[in-house]
Amino acid sequence: NAGVTQTPKFQVLKTGQSMTLQCAQDMNHNSMYWYRQDPGMGLRLIYYSASEGTTDKGEVPNGYNVSRLNKREFSLRLESAAPSQTSVYFCASSGRTGGEGQPQHFGDGTRLSIL
Amino acid sequence: AQSVTQLDSHVSVSEGTPVLLRCNYSSSYSPSLFWYVQHPNKGLQLLLKYTSAATLVKGINGFEAEFKKSETSFHLTKPSAHMSDAAEYFCVVSPASYKLIFGSGTRLLVRP
Repeated sequence: NAGVTQTPKFQVLKTGQSMTLQCAQDMNHNSMYWYRQDPGMGLRLIYYSASEGTTDKGEVPNGYNVSRLNKREFSLRLESAAPSQTSVYFCASSGRTGGEGQPQHFGDGTRLSIL
Repeated sequence: AQSVTQLDSHVSVSEGTPVLLRCNYSSSYSPSLFWYVQHPNKGLQLLLKYTSAATLVKGINGFEAEFKKSETSFHLTKPSAHMSDAAEYFCVVSPASYKLIFGSGTRLLVRP
């Protein structure tokens, strides 16, 4: 039972490079999310996808783009990486958006350093 | 606006003693509340959730939390700490939408 799988686990980029973080879930969840985690700040939502074919901005979307490729997969792209984007990135999924008591299930994260 | 405050950034206990991690929330209506745990280099794992069915919520690994509306609190407890409980814990509030609002986290240290 894999749950939410993120690739890669670690990545080092130079300023200005681009890359795509991949996420896939096998729980048949409708909703998927991308967060970043920085020390002392909890998790902050970058983008989310309530269902296949839709995406919306979260709290900190600047510098990122997303693609909901199909129901299973949700990718996050950094077009021109900046040192401020050094962080740990988490993908999550949930059964549906909205409603009471919808916990999210998280991947193990991608640790991204930008030099 | 909804928010959540974790009152301690670090808590240190001895193995076998009780654990108390404190969380206060702000909400204009009865929210959904969660506790998540994060072990080093891992993602967040759901410990328990409150969704208005019962004020005392039991979770995994012996943890439980009590929802107190009058105090706007949702503190996490465990009767006896184990070394494997050492991790970071997040209190989370969820409005009736996609959003999870995270506290800043409490790092639990368990001394042998």
